[in-house]
Amino acid sequence: DTAVSQTPKYLVTQMGNDKSIKCEQNLGHDTMYWYKQDSKKFLKIMFSYNNKELIINETVPNRFSPKSPDKAHLNLHINSLELGDSAVYFCASSQDVGGMIYEQYFGPGTRLTVT
Amino acid sequence: GNSVTQMEGPVTLSEEAFLTINCTYTATGYPSLFWYVQYPGEGLQLLLKATKADDKGSNKGFEATYRKETTSFHLEKGSVQVSDSAVYFCALSDRATGRRALTFGSGTRLQVQP
Repeated sequence: DTAVSQTPKYLVTQMGNDKSIKCEQNLGHDTMYWYKQDSKKFLKIMFSYNNKELIINETVPNRFSPKSPDKAHLNLHINSLELGDSAVYFCASSQDVGGMIYEQYFGPGTRLTVT
Repeated sequence: GNSVTQMEGPVTLSEEAFLTINCTYTATGYPSLFWYVQYPGEGLQLLLKATKADDKGSNKGFEATYRKETTSFHLEKGSVQVSDSAVYFCALSDRATGRRALTFGSGTRLQVQP
């Protein structure tokens, strides 16, 4: 069983389009994340949800909107895609233990290419 | 704020060579420290962790010791294999900041040649 899954794995689209990436975890964790990894492998956190509540919202264009329908799912919708949005997007989950994160489990990533 | 600094890569080694990847950190409180590994085309996987000073994390022949006095968590392996070629990320988690997320270093690419 895949612990953290993402769909799609690859996404090629044109500038100006709107697209969504979906994430699901079956680990029973209460916290989920979206990261963006650029071409130099630098990881930047974008959003985090704890029990469906948004707890981290980094400086990200408001074209990016996360949604967490329940603890096991976290989706990312991107409006009006731009060339600079091309990257690999990773979903992750963890269990928050008294405000401490001990391990994060990552999905396989979604490679987004905007042309 | 918290931060993690890793040595820049790529690190290129021959098979069976000794590996060290340096990692130092700054933190408000007493963080837990992690090494993650990312193989080509995959997501990150936890390699090892240490939750308090002087703890040694180990896995798959890799080791790292939590050194509070030097604020370091260097990754070592005695004899690398071609299959160890990957990007390695040092990270920390610090309850004192109230930030419920890991802080990652910039990653170090390791290339092992046969």
